[in-house]
Amino acid sequence: GEDVEQSLFLSVREGDSSVINCTYTDSSSTYLYWYKQEPGAGLQLLTYIFSNMDMKQDQRLTVLLNKKDKHLSLRIADTQTGDSAIYFCAERSDAPGGSYIPTFGRGTSLIVHP
Amino acid sequence: DVKVTQSSRYLVKRTGEKVFLECVQDMDHENMFWYRQDPGLGLRLIYFSYDVKMKEKGDIPEGYSVSREKKERFSLILESASTNQTSMYLCASTALAGGRDTGELFFGEGSRLTVL
Repeated sequence: GEDVEQSLFLSVREGDSSVINCTYTDSSSTYLYWYKQEPGAGLQLLTYIFSNMDMKQDQRLTVLLNKKDKHLSLRIADTQTGDSAIYFCAERSDAPGGSYIPTFGRGTSLIVHP
Repeated sequence: DVKVTQSSRYLVKRTGEKVFLECVQDMDHENMFWYRQDPGLGLRLIYFSYDVKMKEKGDIPEGYSVSREKKERFSLILESASTNQTSMYLCASTALAGGRDTGELFFGEGSRLTVL
């Protein structure tokens, strides 16, 4: 079945860039996503990239997609303490009824220290 | 403001009790999901539903059942709670795939269940 892998922890200094990496297995994925989970809350969509794109930039966030290697990364520029959270990579797979199932990685805990 | 509402943020139950976790969405979404989240294991899909009265097993359905009698409501049922079902439970919804839909999932705040 489909599988999404990401490292569990990343620690960075405030003001530095953070790069969170993810690998996936379903080559037919049409969308790939990054979700953010703050303590005690549900997940919220941070950004997504369509599979025919290589890069997407949105303010401090840059998403890079390498379809050949099935590798997705999220770069956060000028990381702030408010960016401390768990970041989930996810891909989209087809399911019955014209629906689809998102498959999530285990989440990367980003710790930002002064 | 779009919303997925889970009925209880915190529950404490005893082993063997029947537990109902309710989830309601106000976005007229076809798809609804129940996940459990455990440290180091990420999100694991329990059940999902793509229409009223339809349900599909996810990766870990054992010990759980679901009910979708109305489009906006998706309930997770633990027929006889056990200590290994202590976890955070997350409900999510999304529109049916197609067109320009990006497939964004909207999550509730989560229900933290402790089974003693």
